[in-house]
Amino acid sequence: AQSVTQLDSQVPVFEEAPVELRCNYSSSVSVYLFWYVQYPNQGLQLLLKYLSGSTLVESINGFEAEFNKSQTSFHLRKPSVHISDTAEYFCAVIGGYNKLIFGAGTRLAVHP
Amino acid sequence: NAGVMQNPRHLVRRRGQEARLRCSPMKGHSHVYWYRQLPEEGLKFMVYLQKENIIDESGMPKERFSAEFPKEGPSILRIQQVVRGDSAAYFCASSPVGPGAAGANVLTFGAGSRLTVL
Repeated sequence: AQSVTQLDSQVPVFEEAPVELRCNYSSSVSVYLFWYVQYPNQGLQLLLKYLSGSTLVESINGFEAEFNKSQTSFHLRKPSVHISDTAEYFCAVIGGYNKLIFGAGTRLAVHP
Repeated sequence: NAGVMQNPRHLVRRRGQEARLRCSPMKGHSHVYWYRQLPEEGLKFMVYLQKENIIDESGMPKERFSAEFPKEGPSILRIQQVVRGDSAAYFCASSPVGPGAAGANVLTFGAGSRLTVL
């Protein structure tokens, strides 16, 4: 069975500092991994995904994640965060019938 | 393309009443997924439907919850005799193709329906 563990429930960070949000997965089938972002009182937006190919994937707003098969990880990183990055971030893996299995989420709080 | 539309955005019910949540998938999408987000928790899968068929309901509570996706009209998540523990945000997501097909893996989410049970 597939599962996702997000190791940090909250990550406080100062503006322009680097950040890493950790995600470990468990999957017995082909691995497809995702990061979604949820701004307050909104739905989820796809941030980036790994389906195949290059293990380093990037988003348009400066985030990147690296698929590490040996460590079963898909950590999300950004070298310099902005106040507007404050949100909740969910890591997810594909389960049966294409459904997403989500982690519990990490709340990123960027302080000035 | 209006995206995935969910309504109502906010719904307040008293214990014992019924809640009906509607989801109109993106144009051309015939696969719908419902998720529930309890306060301070992640999203939990509830049910996966194609037009007129329930494909996977492994995440649905055994009682009081039902879902449908008729040939015409939106998908409906129905909760009968609501209790306080049903208070949550309910999200719908849609996909244009089924599992295993190219492009099947990216779901588009709606903004959610927030149910409050008094």
